[in-house]
Amino acid sequence: DQQVKQNSPSLSVQEGRISILNCDYTNSMFDYFLWYKKYPAEGPTFLISISSIKDKNEDGRFTVFLNKSAKHLSLHIVPSQPGDSAVYFCAAQGFSTSGTYKYIFGTGTRLKVLA
Amino acid sequence: ETGVTQSPTHLIKTRGQQVTLRCSSQSGHNTVSWYQQALGQGPQFIFQYYREEENGRGNFPPRFSGLQFPNYSSELNVNALELDDSALYLCASSLLPGGQETQYFGPGTRLLVL
Repeated sequence: DQQVKQNSPSLSVQEGRISILNCDYTNSMFDYFLWYKKYPAEGPTFLISISSIKDKNEDGRFTVFLNKSAKHLSLHIVPSQPGDSAVYFCAAQGFSTSGTYKYIFGTGTRLKVLA
Repeated sequence: ETGVTQSPTHLIKTRGQQVTLRCSSQSGHNTVSWYQQALGQGPQFIFQYYREEENGRGNFPPRFSGLQFPNYSSELNVNALELDDSALYLCASSLLPGGQETQYFGPGTRLLVL
């Protein structure tokens, strides 16, 4: 039961162009969404997040969009740089039926920015 | 401010054995979460501890257990190891529970069960 899905396992983008990474979720109880970036041999690093009460959050070159009706979020990177090449995970947080937190990660999208 | 560290970096065990993985959180972080990341998959939430009490749990059997200590260190224990337990185990610390709190991940422990 994959509640958070990243349907594109990989994406290649030319340097300077926009990278768009997509994520779909199934559980409407999620109240917070996050994007993480992961380089090889390192743990994931927090990138940007969005609360379920917002539809957009921007931080420098990174913008996350949330479409609650479609249960879809996307990460836009503009302009893309070679150093952005990494695996990107989207994650959702919400309360389980027991009232405690639960965190669900997607399977990741490998972004390659070509110089 | 030191980052999140994990030990050991790599470990090989045989089926049926028990293993203890360790994590040292950032100083002042009262929350630690553990994740299992199988090859080609995203991290799967195992459980979270807040102030030494389990605060949330994913779909993992009871043979996965944890401890959190007052000195910001924590352990993940896995009993009766199975081949499918082979994965990268990540711990992440944060000030408080909740998605709005940034989680800081360690580099992980890679466990191989033969």
